[in-house]
Amino acid sequence: DAKTTQPPSMDCAEGRAANLPCNHSTISGNEYVYWYRQIHSQGPQYIIHGLKNNETNEMASLIITEDRKSSTLILPHATLRDTAVYYCIVRVVGTGGSYIPTFGRGTSLIVHP
Amino acid sequence: GAGVSQTPSNKVTEKGKYVELRCDPISGHTALYWYRQSLGQGPEFLIYFQGTGAADDSGLPNDRFFAVRPEGSVSTLKIQRTERGDSAVYLCASSLTQGTYNEQFFGPGTRLTVL
Repeated sequence: DAKTTQPPSMDCAEGRAANLPCNHSTISGNEYVYWYRQIHSQGPQYIIHGLKNNETNEMASLIITEDRKSSTLILPHATLRDTAVYYCIVRVVGTGGSYIPTFGRGTSLIVHP
Repeated sequence: GAGVSQTPSNKVTEKGKYVELRCDPISGHTALYWYRQSLGQGPEFLIYFQGTGAADDSGLPNDRFFAVRPEGSVSTLKIQRTERGDSAVYLCASSLTQGTYNEQFFGPGTRLTVL
């Protein structure tokens, strides 16, 4: 699996957009980018995933660069409840084989008032 | 509906003892995963079940660790002769199926402390 690099920590003001970067320069053509987050003392929670097109859901937007070597998770209006560790993961998805996400240390996002 | 549940939420044991950690996945989810998370680290994969069988146990650190899922729903992670280094949060996750991407739903974890 392609390795990902994320900043260890970031902070953001409440109500502002939080932009979390992820570098995955060795990603291959059939690897997807996934984001999970983990709020303190809880299990990780799926946020969003994508292959090459930008994606948006009720939680966040995912922007993937054209060369797919990096991506940004955007929380458009961060709230205090968005304070968590955010994990960027890349992995092959397809029939056969297993999907086992490999979590790194992630980015600890602190949203402050 | 009910999410993934894990029991106990906390377990304190002494070095050398045997422990069992239980995971109840979401009903109908055929894939089940166990992870271990140490302080300040991301979750580390241990084992994955598809139905009753362990499809991938490459993450189990040694033969003291074993997991079962006899009826394809509830799973038990068993640790023999516990060591202080086994102290961690043990997370369970389930998903609808495997092979194509399906979102993993995680439980709250069991915090294991080995004294």
